[in-house]
Amino acid sequence: AQKITQTQPGMFVQEKEAVTLDCTYDTSDPSYGLFWYKQPSSGEMIFLIYQGSYDQQNATEGRYSLNFQKARKSANLVISASQLGDSAMYFCAMREGLGNQFYFGTGTSLTVIP
Amino acid sequence: DAGVTQSPTHLIKTRGQQVTLRCSPKSGHDTVSWYQQALGQGPQFIFQYYEEEERQRGNFPDRFSGHQFPNYSSELNVNALLLGDSALYLCASSLSRTAGTGELFFGEGSRLTVL
Repeated sequence: AQKITQTQPGMFVQEKEAVTLDCTYDTSDPSYGLFWYKQPSSGEMIFLIYQGSYDQQNATEGRYSLNFQKARKSANLVISASQLGDSAMYFCAMREGLGNQFYFGTGTSLTVIP
Repeated sequence: DAGVTQSPTHLIKTRGQQVTLRCSPKSGHDTVSWYQQALGQGPQFIFQYYEEEERQRGNFPDRFSGHQFPNYSSELNVNALLLGDSALYLCASSLSRTAGTGELFFGEGSRLTVL
């Protein structure tokens, strides 16, 4: 089974609107971390936001927030007030327990329309 | 504060050749991981180095090997190249797991094309 599933290959959003990128995960480890990364065309993966499995509140970082629904095993990224510079690939990732490996999804390509 | 730097940025090899990719971690980081990202896919974990030892390895054959130097920089070596090895190779650095969330900081990658 896939550890991380991103079902939206591509998404479009109007500038200044909010957009939600979906991510579901699969693990039996009670301790895990969930991460979102942005990958512009340059190739570099840029860390956006982190949510720990024991965190009680949803993580927020500026215009990014993570909608964490533990029972549904989902960790959706919400980008508010989209900007043209938000156009990129977005990857959801998970690290289980004390492991050193990050599992990545296949990504969602976001295009912000002026 | 220098981020993660990788070299070369692009290279072309032929089947059967060998390649070495290099990575300098972000200042202060002691752990280096390597990922392979095929076109249209997410990154796949190759291995991680800490204290000059391979700490964990993903599902990659022995043709993929690595090294970490005392200054924490790292190399990824791939022998007997196959067409399927064509990909973007990403180096990521982090602090050891005792510090913070352990997020990875990535370089811009080395794009390898095997002909």
